[in-house]
Amino acid sequence: KAGVTQTPRYLIKTRGQQVTLSCSPISGHRSVSWYQQTPGQGLQFLFEYFSETQRNKGNFPGRFSGRQFSNSRSEMNVSTLELGDSALYLCASSLAIGGASYAGANVLTFGAGSRLTVL
Amino acid sequence: DQQVKQNSPSLSVQEGRISILNCDYTNSMFDYFLWYKKYPAEGPTFLISISSIKDKNEDGRFTVFLNKSAKHLSLHIVPSQPGDSAVYFCAARKPDKLIFGTGTRLQVFP
Repeated sequence: KAGVTQTPRYLIKTRGQQVTLSCSPISGHRSVSWYQQTPGQGLQFLFEYFSETQRNKGNFPGRFSGRQFSNSRSEMNVSTLELGDSALYLCASSLAIGGASYAGANVLTFGAGSRLTVL
Repeated sequence: DQQVKQNSPSLSVQEGRISILNCDYTNSMFDYFLWYKKYPAEGPTFLISISSIKDKNEDGRFTVFLNKSAKHLSLHIVPSQPGDSAVYFCAARKPDKLIFGTGTRLQVFP
């Protein structure tokens, strides 16, 4: 089956602009999580959506927002971009909330990411 | 507040030898621990996990050990192969989200 698809893969923006990233989860997965990866910071949790509702949120400013559609596809938006927003943004889908490993059935499956560069 | 720490940013191991990647955590409420592997230009992929009620889980060449009293887990890869060269992230699960460490870059050389 198809994996998690993220678009665009690469993009360049300038400070002050906004950006929207898209994520299509694995068919049947209803949970979509977003993570930011930067050097030295690992993967930092942004938020998680399940059945079109935000279920959990990390410690990011309000400039970072997201939504989920009825087909489980998700978008995240970053407004008023700052240089420090340059990062790899990863989307992950899973069957249920939280992402864990119950006999391997509910782990997070990641997409390849969207590489954002803010100039 | 980094609740999951990987203190070694990189590790270099000869092919055929054992690779040991370490991870420390601070929160006793984590119920699962996982390891993910990430190649360049790809997303992380799940490798192996362990429940907080266990102290060892093995899957082929990969074994994860959990020491709850020390709040420490480790991933052993035996024998190491060049294809294992990647960034390894440990992750710990609270009931509602996964918290990842900063990653360790493993290089396996011939």
